[in-house]
Amino acid sequence: DGGITQSPKYLFRKEGQNVTLSCEQNLNHDAMYWYRQDPGQGLRLIYYSQIVNDFQKGDIAEGYSVSREKKESFPLTVTSAQKNPTAFYLCASSLQGKDGYTFGSGTRLTVV
Amino acid sequence: EDQVTQSPEALRLQEGESSSLNCSYTVSGLRGLFWYRQDPGKGPEFLFTLYSAGEEKEKERLKATLTKKESFLHITAPKPEDSATYLCAVPTYNTDKLIFGTGTRLQVFP
Repeated sequence: DGGITQSPKYLFRKEGQNVTLSCEQNLNHDAMYWYRQDPGQGLRLIYYSQIVNDFQKGDIAEGYSVSREKKESFPLTVTSAQKNPTAFYLCASSLQGKDGYTFGSGTRLTVV
Repeated sequence: EDQVTQSPEALRLQEGESSSLNCSYTVSGLRGLFWYRQDPGKGPEFLFTLYSAGEEKEKERLKATLTKKESFLHITAPKPEDSATYLCAVPTYNTDKLIFGTGTRLQVFP
């Protein structure tokens, strides 16, 4: 079955560490997105990519980095520069805006 | 500035008590409005896309409608399994980026 796989489901990070969240899709979608979700706030866009080897910053890109070396994969690195990384991270993909996005099941990141 | 506002923030209903959720939007050149359902600890699940004022779509106990300024998600005779957060979103002008409302958290009690 086609879909988006995010891993791990839960991730714990120590202060000063970089961590990478995985996002893989087999939907043959061109565009991929990373959102952050905090309690009481809407989904906020971190980065997005519309084609391989190209990506753009979203509204809250500081402290994050991404790569898009393959169409299927769009990993997100949370760097030590991100001061408040504890959140629920969602990856999504779309076929250039048709019928909205398909979301993964999310990764909950906690700083310990 | 493109914006999406949802109300109420939270809604508690008795099983069978119908109600509506509101999504008002401000965007240049609407190219679609999307409704999602999100269960705790999971990713949003696509429900509906509406493209033009007057359009309606239905799925089981849910019906989504669209006007030029807002969309409603009507829930008829809800059941406890309809409890979830409902999100709406619109694409920003001339891009495929979606901006989301903060959602309505619906709780349906037996």
